[in-house]
Amino acid sequence: GESVGLHLPTLSVQEGDNSIINCAYSNSASDYFIWYKQESGKGPQFIIDIRSNMDKRQGQRVTVLLNKTVKHLSLQIAATQPGDSAVYFCAEKVLGGYNKLIFGAGTRLAVHP
Amino acid sequence: DTEVTQTPKHLVMGMTNKKSLKCEQHMGHRAMYWYKQKAKKPPELMFVYSYEKLSINESVPSRFSPECPNSSLLNLHLHALQPEDSALYLCASSQTGADTQYFGPGTRLTVL
Repeated sequence: GESVGLHLPTLSVQEGDNSIINCAYSNSASDYFIWYKQESGKGPQFIIDIRSNMDKRQGQRVTVLLNKTVKHLSLQIAATQPGDSAVYFCAEKVLGGYNKLIFGAGTRLAVHP
Repeated sequence: DTEVTQTPKHLVMGMTNKKSLKCEQHMGHRAMYWYKQKAKKPPELMFVYSYEKLSINESVPSRFSPECPNSSLLNLHLHALQPEDSALYLCASSQTGADTQYFGPGTRLTVL
């Protein structure tokens, strides 16, 4: 069935390094993807989104890459900071349905000083 | 105002209690959502309201009853819950049903 999954459940990085969080999706009809950041005890926070007619989109210190050929999505965080420590979810919007987001399992990012 | 607020932040209730969760947004969004999130899991959609009408019910048990009194408010009425219903309940809103969803901080519910 349709699914959005992450390759790495936990990612540990040193402060100042770049982080890459990966996500695979299986529904080739999906046309919109979102990355959310969820800190402990808080709700998911929108980080960045990308539509299927784009390959790359940049924000402040974050870049999302979309490879439709292999159905792969990644979130790159530049110069990772302790405040980036959180669980990151990718989410996929299903075409044809209402705004039902399908979330990936999540990756925990741990930033060490 | 660019946020979704939820009250209470924490709630502990017995299995015979009746309680309500509240969600509010003043961004003019016309779609609002309830999600349930268990520990270390992604959010799971429960209900979607569009223009104050229920448009999606993801086969949620009737002990959860949503209500949308107006375009800014969304309630979730709880009755006869089970301990396995303990979770973080998240509210979200979007401009319309096709737009990006923004989440509130959640209500941490514990059912004893």
